Amino acid sequence: DAGVIQSPRHEVTEMGQEVTLRCKPISGHDYLFWYRQTMMRGLELLIYFNNNVPIDDSGMPEDRFSAKMPNASFSTLKIQPSEPRDSAVYFCASSGLAGGPHTGELFFGEGSRLTVL
Amino acid sequence: SQQGEEDPQALSIQEGENATMNCSYKTSINNLQWYRQNSGRGLVHLILIRSNEREKHSGRLRVTLDTSKKSSSLLITASRAADTASYFCATHRWREYGNKLVFGAGTILRVKS
Repeated sequence: DAGVIQSPRHEVTEMGQEVTLRCKPISGHDYLFWYRQTMMRGLELLIYFNNNVPIDDSGMPEDRFSAKMPNASFSTLKIQPSEPRDSAVYFCASSGLAGGPHTGELFFGEGSRLTVL
Repeated sequence: SQQGEEDPQALSIQEGENATMNCSYKTSINNLQWYRQNSGRGLVHLILIRSNEREKHSGRLRVTLDTSKKSSSLLITASRAADTASYFCATHRWREYGNKLVFGAGTILRVKS
């Protein structure tokens, strides 16, 4: 089992540039989550999908952030334009229990560390 | 907010000692989970305790839950240097918040060999 795969692991970009983070969830998992981790704010849920449909995007900080899940095996988180305050580690996680209510564990990727200069 | 709060923020112990971390939360929950994060890595699930359970064990881990006090504790017995990591509690409340976990700020554990 390959686990949740994220790319890139590290990204350094300049303010104003577009950033795209990618995630491949565990095969068969029907929930996908994007979290952001910073020292100041800890782990924040940005958005989550169920069966490729966005369910709750209330954590997305502003319109510069967008997320898509075109199919069950791929999701992207895009920031356009990026700002220095977007610097953080972005985690993708998936969950595999079908039906609800869910109570099961999250499987996290290794994260994408973003630095915006 | 249902965000959990861990206590202490940081803990330093000697190898072989027990480590206890606490988590408090503000609202009723369906379950509470503990995760570990090694430096530079993703979070790894350790254990889940449901609201109708009071104690669970997994290897050297013991978790308790007191819903009347809205608190949980994670005990790691006979700690090892490899237990050095950040530990997070996360609460789940399906009916009100949907299928999402809300994480606390974490406890940084350092086990000295």
